[in-house]
Amino acid sequence: DAKTTQPPSMDCAEGRAANLPCNHSTISGNEYVYWYRQIHSQGPQYIIHGLKNNETNEMASLIITEDRKSSTLILPHATLRDTAVYYCIVKTGANSKLTFGKGITLSVRP
Amino acid sequence: EAGVAQSPRYKIIEKRQSVAFWCNPISGHATLYWYQQILGQGPKLLIQFQNNGVVDDSQLPKDRFSAERLKGVDSTLKIQPAKLEDSAVYLCASSLGDRVETQYFGPGTRLLVL
Repeated sequence: DAKTTQPPSMDCAEGRAANLPCNHSTISGNEYVYWYRQIHSQGPQYIIHGLKNNETNEMASLIITEDRKSSTLILPHATLRDTAVYYCIVKTGANSKLTFGKGITLSVRP
Repeated sequence: EAGVAQSPRYKIIEKRQSVAFWCNPISGHATLYWYQQILGQGPKLLIQFQNNGVVDDSQLPKDRFSAERLKGVDSTLKIQPAKLEDSAVYLCASSLGDRVETQYFGPGTRLLVL
């Protein structure tokens, strides 16, 4: 699985968009970008994933650059409940084994 | 739909004691995972079951950790004897098949070894 790099932390104001970056410069053509988040004292929760096209669901949007070497998770209207650690994971779809890094801690301020 | 259930939620033991954690996956989920999450780090996969067979246990410290999934449903993870460095949150997850996006996590068991 390709290595990912995320800044350790960021914050944003409630109601504003939160843009969480992830670098994955060694990504292979068959590897997907997955995002999970972990709210304090809970298990991780799947958010979204994509291969090369931008994706959107009820939780977030995922923007993948054309060269696929980086991506951004967008929470369009952050709330206090979005305060969590967000993990960017790059892997093939061949199996479900997840390798988590340290993630990025998002703090949403009132 | 009920989520992944784990018990106990918290456990404090002394080093060299034994401890066991229990997990009940989402009904119908054939794949079950145990992860270890040390404070400040992301979860690390310890073992993956497909029904009651082991798919991957490459990161399980087999000298002290053991896990079983009898009848392909519930699972237990045991540590015997515990070390200080085993203090962590132990997360159980389950999925329908082998797809990442169908993997759901339980709330975890927080273990403190003194």
